[in-house]
Amino acid sequence: QKEVEQDPGPLSVPEGAIVSLNCTYSNSAFQYFMWYRQYSRKGPELLMYTYSSGNKEDGRFTAQVDKSSKYISLFIRDSQPSDSATYLCAMRAPPSNTGKLIFGQGTTLQVKP
Amino acid sequence: DAGVTQSPTHLIKTRGQQVTLRCSPKSGHDTVSWYQQALGQGPQFIFQYYEEEERQRGNFPDRFSGHQFPNYSSELNVNALLLGDSALYLCASRMGGGSTDTQYFGPGTRLTVL
Repeated sequence: QKEVEQDPGPLSVPEGAIVSLNCTYSNSAFQYFMWYRQYSRKGPELLMYTYSSGNKEDGRFTAQVDKSSKYISLFIRDSQPSDSATYLCAMRAPPSNTGKLIFGQGTTLQVKP
Repeated sequence: DAGVTQSPTHLIKTRGQQVTLRCSPKSGHDTVSWYQQALGQGPQFIFQYYEEEERQRGNFPDRFSGHQFPNYSSELNVNALLLGDSALYLCASRMGGGSTDTQYFGPGTRLTVL
């Protein structure tokens, strides 16, 4: 069993739709949760960073963490064609100060005009 | 402010050869991590360098080695290349020590092993 599971998709939605991306994890020691966006043939770009449980909003993006269920989500409102990319969830493994990230497989999203 | 830079962009090698990839961290960052991303997969942690020493290592064989220089730049070396080493190699930098510090990734070096 992988430490972090993410549905690879692909996910295709019309422009303006609300997108929900999800990851589950098995290690209850994870405390730092991130979402990265990766365009084709580019490096991952940090989108959202959350510590412990709760919600965090940044513009059209909302990240949710439910540590009791070991489940994290990223919501994209009013999706745009420019949001078409691969979205990677990542978690920081203990000891947290070393910064090692464990990634999900990535979900490929296509937003159609 | 330049972000994380990596060189070369692309590289083609044959099995058994050796390769060196280079990374310059974001200005002000002193910690460099290397990740391997196979096609259709998420990045996998190779190792991390801080203060010119390997601080943590992932599940990669000894064929993978690295180095960090006094200016915080880093190299990743892979010996005896295998076909399975074909991947995008990503470098990420951050400020060391702080548990809340986030990592910033470079564009990667795409390695093809024939």
